[in-house]
Amino acid sequence: EVQLVESGGILVQPGGSLRLSCAASGFTFITYAMNWVRQAPGKGLEWVSAISGGGRSTYYADFVKGRFTISRDNSKNTLYLQMSSLRAEDTAVYYCAKARDVTYFDYWGQGTLVTVSS
Amino acid sequence: EIVLTQSPATLSLSPGERAILSCRASQSVSNYFAWYQQKPGQAPRLLIYDVSNRATGIPARFSGSGSGTDFTLTISSLEPEDFAVYYCQQRGNWPPTFGPGTKVDLK
Repeated sequence: EVQLVESGGILVQPGGSLRLSCAASGFTFITYAMNWVRQAPGKGLEWVSAISGGGRSTYYADFVKGRFTISRDNSKNTLYLQMSSLRAEDTAVYYCAKARDVTYFDYWGQGTLVTVSS
Repeated sequence: EIVLTQSPATLSLSPGERAILSCRASQSVSNYFAWYQQKPGQAPRLLIYDVSNRATGIPARFSGSGSGTDFTLTISSLEPEDFAVYYCQQRGNWPPTFGPGTKVDLK
């Protein structure tokens, strides 16, 4: 059974930094691209970032480019999102999502809430 | 960036009725199109990918159709567990984008 468990979401001040983690199990992690997708409170879904199975290729939405870094440790079956220069508009539930065909999202974690506020 | 517009915003129906949800893209996305279901407090679930392919475990009452810029999700006969928000998504043009959602609620 595919399981994705995110962690690391907290309350952080504007301009601060944070690292999210996503522990994966139930599938051959290195074989699949992975993504982060976020959802602001009461709002819709927004793709944030993707990384290839081997980790060599990374992709970002314009609104996080230069501030967020996606990475993975295939020896630990874990996906990361390093977030810096955080803004109030980054407040959201952040989901990690396993990729089907890179940017369809066939399995999702339960999400972790990041709140950016002073 | 491709903008997806979903209609209607809310669809009020009764169990057993047919639901037809629409999504229009601002330009062609070929057949790289998906639908997701999200219930309150839960993560989204992939229903349909590549316009008409059901994801693993998705019941046959869910079907997708369309091409280019206009797409439809049909739920043939609503079950109580189908009342939820439905999002469309395209990956035909970078970056992948989602529609704003259609809420299917109980009439």
